[in-house]
Amino acid sequence: DAEITQSPRHKITETGRQVTLACHQTWNHNNMFWYRQDLGHGLRLIHYSYGVQDTNKGEVSDGYSVSRSNTEDLPLTLESAASSQTSVYFCASSEHRGTDTQYFGPGTRLTVL
Amino acid sequence: GQNIDQPTEMTATEGAIVQINCTYQTSGFNGLFWYQQHAGEAPTFLSYNVLDGLEEKGRFSSFLSRSKGYSYLLLKELQMKDSASYLCAVRGLAGGYNKLIFGAGTRLAVHP
Repeated sequence: DAEITQSPRHKITETGRQVTLACHQTWNHNNMFWYRQDLGHGLRLIHYSYGVQDTNKGEVSDGYSVSRSNTEDLPLTLESAASSQTSVYFCASSEHRGTDTQYFGPGTRLTVL
Repeated sequence: GQNIDQPTEMTATEGAIVQINCTYQTSGFNGLFWYQQHAGEAPTFLSYNVLDGLEEKGRFSSFLSRSKGYSYLLLKELQMKDSASYLCAVRGLAGGYNKLIFGAGTRLAVHP
């Protein structure tokens, strides 16, 4: 069955370290998204991509970067982790622009000490 | 600005009916989604409304009024497994075709 996976599921790191969270989908979806979820804020969009070599900033993109070298993967990199980036991170994908539903991965819980 | 409001918490009794409201103010409108999220899990898609009216899907129904910037999710015959957070999300038009703006979610507790 096609699916969307994230790794690692849990990560503890130290302030200042570079961290990369992986997202892989086997639906062959064009659109991929990264969100963070914090209490009281709901899901907030970090970065998104509409296809290979396309990346765009979301509402909370500072301190994060993404790259899209193939259809299946959109890794999220925290260039220099900060305690404010402690959160649960969700990756999502959808097939086309327009009316398509976004489907979410299982999430990565990141703690920055 | 863009804003989505929904109650923070609700409680209900097993077997009853509960209505979770969502009001929104966004730059453009291209559909409203409801997602269910159990604690520690990913959000899962429940419903999608783009036209005014009621969409029914089993025990769950979702209503939309675009003129009022208002939606609700109706859960009937509540079961203990319906205890979860319910996320309202609006797809706006500004800045991208498929960007969702999420409310903070409503945590529903179903009691026996």
